[in-house]
Amino acid sequence: GIQVEQSPPDLILQEGANSTLRCNFSDSVNNLQWFHQNPWGQLINLFYIPSGTKQNGRLSATTVATERYSLLYISSSQTTDSGVYFCAAQKKRFGAGTRLTVKP
Amino acid sequence: NAGVMQNPRHLVRRRGQEARLRCSPMKGHSHVYWYRQLPEEGLKFMVYLQKENIIDESGMPKERFSAEFPKEGPSILRIQQVVRGDSAAYFCASSPLEDTQYFGPGTRLTVL
Repeated sequence: GIQVEQSPPDLILQEGANSTLRCNFSDSVNNLQWFHQNPWGQLINLFYIPSGTKQNGRLSATTVATERYSLLYISSSQTTDSGVYFCAAQKKRFGAGTRLTVKP
Repeated sequence: NAGVMQNPRHLVRRRGQEARLRCSPMKGHSHVYWYRQLPEEGLKFMVYLQKENIIDESGMPKERFSAEFPKEGPSILRIQQVVRGDSAAYFCASSPLEDTQYFGPGTRLTVL
């Protein structure tokens, strides 16, 4: 089955900094999503992005399907951005996540 | 429009008992997915259902686990004869079609 790898596994930022999270997948996908799991465990969908670029406020994502990777950009990070960010391919395979800690 | 609902939020069972987890999808969503998350790990796909049909159960353990999504009512994930290794958070998600999924708050199962 398809393999999904995320990097980095952990990221610590100072409030206001920018970051880029990466998701590599081993095969072609027609469904690629990014989620944020907050410290209380709730999973919130961020982007459905099988290809192309999308932006939502301080967050944006780009998927280059031909090269089998997706990037999540967080600009001007806030403490509320803390949590774990997952990418998911084909709704079946989740990466191990990137744990983001934003310090005030 | 209410979000995906799961109940109970917390469930404690003794080894050998049965656990029933319920998931009500968002209104208008006919696709339901179940996932299991162990502490400090990612989500593992278990099963994908549509109304009255199991579409993909490739992630379901072969024994003790079953799922259904009846014509009326919520989707049910049933675990028979629970063991300590079943302790985890179980999430369901719903979607309208091949699109964004929306997750419920999860059920935290603890097996004593």
